[in-house]
Amino acid sequence: DQQVKQNSPSLSVQEGRISILNCDYTNSMFDYFLWYKKYPAEGPTFLISISSIKDKNEDGRFTVFLNKSAKHLSLHIVPSQPGDSAVYFCAAITQGGSEKLVFGKGTKLTVNP
Amino acid sequence: EAGVTQFPSHSVIEKGQTVTLRCDPISGHDNLYWYRRVMGKEIKFLLHFVKESKQDESGMPNNRFLAERTGGTYSTLKVQPAELEDSGVYFCASSQVGRGFYEQYFGPGTRLTVT
Repeated sequence: DQQVKQNSPSLSVQEGRISILNCDYTNSMFDYFLWYKKYPAEGPTFLISISSIKDKNEDGRFTVFLNKSAKHLSLHIVPSQPGDSAVYFCAAITQGGSEKLVFGKGTKLTVNP
Repeated sequence: EAGVTQFPSHSVIEKGQTVTLRCDPISGHDNLYWYRRVMGKEIKFLLHFVKESKQDESGMPNNRFLAERTGGTYSTLKVQPAELEDSGVYFCASSQVGRGFYEQYFGPGTRLTVT
C-alpha cells in the first residue's frame, strides 16, 4: 500500500516555463516532506523540504507548496532549465518516529531547450 | 568532503549465489541507512543503523538479507542466497545524529542484477 504517490511518471516542459510536480500522501502522521532529485547513475540528492506547520517553502527557483487538508504537495520550478531534467522523488517522514523516508515512485522531468 | 560511497557500482550474479554490498558513509555520520529501488518502483527503506546498532530493520524483506556495521563505520549488506526478485538498485545514505529527519545524503547506489 503506497503511502506516497506521484501519479505522473513523466512531465515535459519547455525551457523557461514552469514545471509543477505533484505528490499525494495518505498517512496523516507524516509531518515533514522532502523532494529529492536524481540523475541517471547517481544517488538522490536533497532539493528542498517543508514542515507540516508551513504551507510554502521557497529556495531560489524551487518552491514547495503543502496542502495538509488535501494531503497534497507540489514542487514548482520557475524558470525551468535543461539541467533540471532528472527524476524527482517526493518523500515523507514522521518526525520523532523512525528515520525512514517513505518515497513516491518518482516523476521524470524533461526540460526541452 | 567525500560523499557516501558504495561498492561495487554494479554486480551481476546468478540465482543462489551470494553478494555483499559495501557502503562508506560520510565521515562523522553515525546514522547509516539502506534503501532499495526495484525497477520502476519507489525507493524503499530497508534498515537504519546508529553507529553499530540496528535502530530500525523493519524494511528488511527476509532473512536472506544480513546487514552489519562493525565498528560503526562502513556497513555491508549481504544477500544469501540471491533470488531474482532481489534485483534492483541498493542505495546507502548517511546523516548526522539528530539530522536524519531533515537531511539524508545518498550514495550512487549498487545495481544488483540476479539472473
